[in-house]
Amino acid sequence: AQSVTQLDSQVPVFEEAPVELRCNYSSSVSVYLFWYVQYPNQGLQLLLKYLSGSTLVESINGFEAEFNKSQTSFHLRKPSVHISDTAEYFCAVRWNTGRRALTFGSGTRLQVQP
Amino acid sequence: DGGITQSPKYLFRKEGQNVTLSCEQNLNHDAMYWYRQDPGQGLRLIYYSQIVNDFQKGDIAEGYSVSREKKESFPLTVTSAQKNPTAFYLCASSINPAASGRINEQFFGPGTRLTVL
Repeated sequence: AQSVTQLDSQVPVFEEAPVELRCNYSSSVSVYLFWYVQYPNQGLQLLLKYLSGSTLVESINGFEAEFNKSQTSFHLRKPSVHISDTAEYFCAVRWNTGRRALTFGSGTRLQVQP
Repeated sequence: DGGITQSPKYLFRKEGQNVTLSCEQNLNHDAMYWYRQDPGQGLRLIYYSQIVNDFQKGDIAEGYSVSREKKESFPLTVTSAQKNPTAFYLCASSINPAASGRINEQFFGPGTRLTVL
């Protein structure tokens, strides 16, 4: 079965430090990749997406992710985090075959400390 | 103001009772989805619907039922057959890629937290 793995359940980091949240998926067939962010007791908000084209995608608040087909990864990075980035981050994949729905990773809780 | 609404925000149910969670969208999206979120497990797909009057089981459909009589609405019923229903339930919608020929992200509602007493 196709799966999405987020290896780190929690990532503590100090404010203004860089951070990387890792995401790997199980199959290298044609995929569409997403990162969502969730603040406490809220729904998910789209952070960024890769559908085609440039393998490096950016969000409006400084996050970026790079699609690496050979490593089947879509890691999320930010060069300098803020306290307000504290949230849970979910990687999601839609494969271009089979079920037309997203498969989510288990999430990574980013905890930014002052 | 377009978006997805879920009601109620918090729901309490006695063991053995059925309960229905509401999901409404005014985004004119064809596709709608229900997910269950448990701590440390991410989101798991319960049911999804690509078009009115049609829906498919997701990964954890047992103990749940849905209907899709209107484009705007996709209610989820948690039945007494669901062994561990306490969770956070999220509804989402998207443009139907099969119809539009393109992939789009899913938009999420604010969620309903169901607690079984």
